[in-house]
Amino acid sequence: GAGVSQSPSNKVTEKGKDVELRCDPISGHTALYWYRQSLGQGLEFLIYFQGNSAPDKSGLPSDRFSAERTGGSVSTLTIQRTQQEDSAVYLCASSFQGDRAQHFGDGTRLSIL
Amino acid sequence: QKEVEQNSGPLSVPEGAIASLNCTYSDRGSQSFFWYRQYSGKSPELIMSIYSNGDKEDGRFTAQLNKASQYVSLLIRDSQPSDSATYLCAVYASGGSYIPTFGRGTSLIVHP
Repeated sequence: GAGVSQSPSNKVTEKGKDVELRCDPISGHTALYWYRQSLGQGLEFLIYFQGNSAPDKSGLPSDRFSAERTGGSVSTLTIQRTQQEDSAVYLCASSFQGDRAQHFGDGTRLSIL
Repeated sequence: QKEVEQNSGPLSVPEGAIASLNCTYSDRGSQSFFWYRQYSGKSPELIMSIYSNGDKEDGRFTAQLNKASQYVSLLIRDSQPSDSATYLCAVYASGGSYIPTFGRGTSLIVHP
């Protein structure tokens, strides 16, 4: 079966532009997570969805970051007015309800010029 | 603040040896523990989980958990060059949390 799919795989944009990153989780997975990983760093938690609701968005670094999930499936992470410090790999993961094992997508490498 | 600590390495072992990767955590009530492998430039992939004290074996991998001492280990037997990667420890806190705290990972190099 298909794994977690993220698009685009790479995104280069100018400082100040808005970007949208997409995650399509494994079919049937109700939990969805967004993480950020900067070069040589660990995983930074951003937001967690259970179905369409986000019980924990404590990791979003600023109000420029937002995320939504529709239909209990696809999620979009939006970064407004991008800054150079937003450059990182953005990873999405999903899991079955009640199962804490996470399955990661290949990530989106975001570069802000 | 819940912390998960891993030695960043690199840990270098010869091919065929046992690699031992360690992780300590601060939340004494933590319940669930996972190990992920991340190849350079790739995303993390799940290796195994452990929930109870003791050892859990899966092929060449053995996870060891000691809740009293607040550490979890991953042993890789008969290490292969293809095992060279960064190994991430993920810990779920007490209280039924669904948000893991990841360690920063240990880099493992298996040399022929």
